[in-house]
Amino acid sequence: AQTVTQSQPEMSVQEAETVTLSCTYDTSESDYYLFWYKQPPSRQMILVIRQEAYKQQNATENRFSVNFQKAAKSFSLKISDSQLGDAAMYFCAYRSALDTGTASKLTFGTGTRLQVTL
Amino acid sequence: DARVTQTPRDKVTEMGQEVTMRCQPILGHNTVFWYRQTMMQGLELLAYFRNRAPLDDSGMPKDRFSAEMPDATLATLKIQPSEPRDSAVYFCASGLWGRGYTFGSGTRLTVV
Repeated sequence: AQTVTQSQPEMSVQEAETVTLSCTYDTSESDYYLFWYKQPPSRQMILVIRQEAYKQQNATENRFSVNFQKAAKSFSLKISDSQLGDAAMYFCAYRSALDTGTASKLTFGTGTRLQVTL
Repeated sequence: DARVTQTPRDKVTEMGQEVTMRCQPILGHNTVFWYRQTMMQGLELLAYFRNRAPLDDSGMPKDRFSAEMPDATLATLKIQPSEPRDSAVYFCASGLWGRGYTFGSGTRLTVV
């Protein structure tokens, strides 16, 4: 079974600075998807960024980018020019690329709470 | 933007009562999930459907939980009877294979 580990329960960053959230995963599959979801106090789960394992190029979405290291099974999220609105829980998630049975479920890490200070 | 709609947003109920949570997935999405979020367990998969057919409900306590999709626009999660340990936020998510999934805002259930 796949597992996702987020080893940083909490992180803090000053406004306008850059922060990196860590995520590692364990899988025997070669093709899969990785995601970062943001959960602000409103509790809505918002998809931040998505990475296909077969793509070597790291995904970017505006101020958000990932560092995907397939061999190391590492998938970190970098937030540049941090804003107060970035304060939230961030969850890393894994999904198999297989489309059979239970394979397409999302497996989540335990989350990292990000504080943004002035 | 298309969204997944969950009702009710918050629910407080007494132990032993029946609770029904509803989800309207995004039109055209063929995969629907139910997740439960607690402080202790994090996000747990309860059940999921593909083209309205249940594919996996192994995460649900079968004696009290049931999940259905009576049609493509409605998914329901029912707890009968409810217990205090069921207190959690219940999320519905929908999507298409190969894409990210869109979550609803969740139903916060408190069983007293």
